[in-house]
Amino acid sequence: NAGVMQNPRHLVRRRGQEARLRCSPMKGHSHVYWYRQLPEEGLKFMVYLQKENIIDESGMPKERFSAEFPKEGPSILRIQQVVRGDSAAYFCASSPPLDRRYEQYFGPGTRLTVT
Amino acid sequence: AQKITQTQPGMFVQEKEAVTLDCTYDTSDQSYGLFWYKQPSSGEMIFLIYQGSYDEQNATEGRYSLNFQKARKSANLVISASQLGDSAMYFCAMREMGGTSYDKVIFGPGTSLSVIP
Repeated sequence: NAGVMQNPRHLVRRRGQEARLRCSPMKGHSHVYWYRQLPEEGLKFMVYLQKENIIDESGMPKERFSAEFPKEGPSILRIQQVVRGDSAAYFCASSPPLDRRYEQYFGPGTRLTVT
Repeated sequence: AQKITQTQPGMFVQEKEAVTLDCTYDTSDQSYGLFWYKQPSSGEMIFLIYQGSYDEQNATEGRYSLNFQKARKSANLVISASQLGDSAMYFCAMREMGGTSYDKVIFGPGTSLSVIP
């Protein structure tokens, strides 16, 4: 049973380019969460999605960031016109529906470097 | 307002000794879950242990145990018989089960643990 998959593992972008980060949840999981970890800091919640729905985006920056979880395919975190401050590790996590007791299973993360 | 506090930015422990990593939390919800995650230098987040607010017994998973003191709002992680592979960052996290933020997990700033041979 494959875990949460994220790709790419490492992404380098120049300032002004777009970054697309992908996350495939564990099989049977319908809830996806994105977190950002700045250097030397803990994880900060960004957005929570279910299939075709954004449930909570209270942690998303107001501009340049968007997320989707389509009916088919992975969840995508999109960062437009990246700036150096976007350099961070971006983690995706998934959890099964209904039972909130379960922990969130994390992917290996995507490390974004903006040059 | 910060909801998870980890007051020890860095800790050292001798191999084979036990170590306690502190975590206090703040919530007005009656129903919540507490987690500990390990992040080694390779970067992945590894789930260690879970404690529900209504669980009467402290959670244990192998060498990990959670010292849950609900009245004090503390959820300290105890690692027994430390091993060199335990050297990593450790994050305490909380998931509130009520209100609109029920699926959000809030992480503390982390504690860096170094195990000395």
